[in-house]
Amino acid sequence: EDQVTQSPEALRLQEGESSSLNCSYTVSGLRGLFWYRQDPGKGPEFLFTLYSAGEEKEKERLKATLTKKESFLHITAPKPEDSATYLCAVQDNYGQNFVFGPGTRLSVLP
Amino acid sequence: GAVVSQHPSRVICKSGTSVKIECRSLDFQATTMFWYRQFPKKSLMLMATSNEGSKATYEQGVEKDKFLINHASLTLSTLTVTSAHPEDSSFYICSCNTGGGYEQYFGPGTRLTVT
Repeated sequence: EDQVTQSPEALRLQEGESSSLNCSYTVSGLRGLFWYRQDPGKGPEFLFTLYSAGEEKEKERLKATLTKKESFLHITAPKPEDSATYLCAVQDNYGQNFVFGPGTRLSVLP
Repeated sequence: GAVVSQHPSRVICKSGTSVKIECRSLDFQATTMFWYRQFPKKSLMLMATSNEGSKATYEQGVEKDKFLINHASLTLSTLTVTSAHPEDSSFYICSCNTGGGYEQYFGPGTRLTVT
């Protein structure tokens, strides 16, 4: 059974204080690992797809990396508007379904 | 990115009534759509996978007679919560796959409150 955990559960940063969010997974054949951002009362917004260990993707202040057991979402010099819940999900090679982690609630204080 | 809409964004209904939620892909055709529910401060739980022109596949523990899914076209899927009860109150979100990649694009969600 595919499983995803995320840490920390919640993270408070000062504006400009860089940090990383962790997503650990177990899956029987990884097709893809996905990062999403979710604002309160909204649907998740797609950020990145990672397919294989060693792959990296960047978008503005965010960079996602992938190993065989975990993924990191690095946030460089965050701003208050980066405050949101960040979700990761995995998809295995045997189906279409995503398994989501519980998310990390990020708060960036001005 | 792909655009997915949901209607309504919020609905309040009385216990025992049925509620229909629409999910539309606005700028692409979606062979497959997914329905999730999310409780406060919790992650997304997949309810069912909806394929155009065929019956939906429900996750274990989700009652197919209570949560009716119809994927009548390549741009529209509907979720009907039948005989709603207060415990059905939740945030319902749909997602679509464009077919161009594996990522799913999500709608804005529907907040259902059953009184």
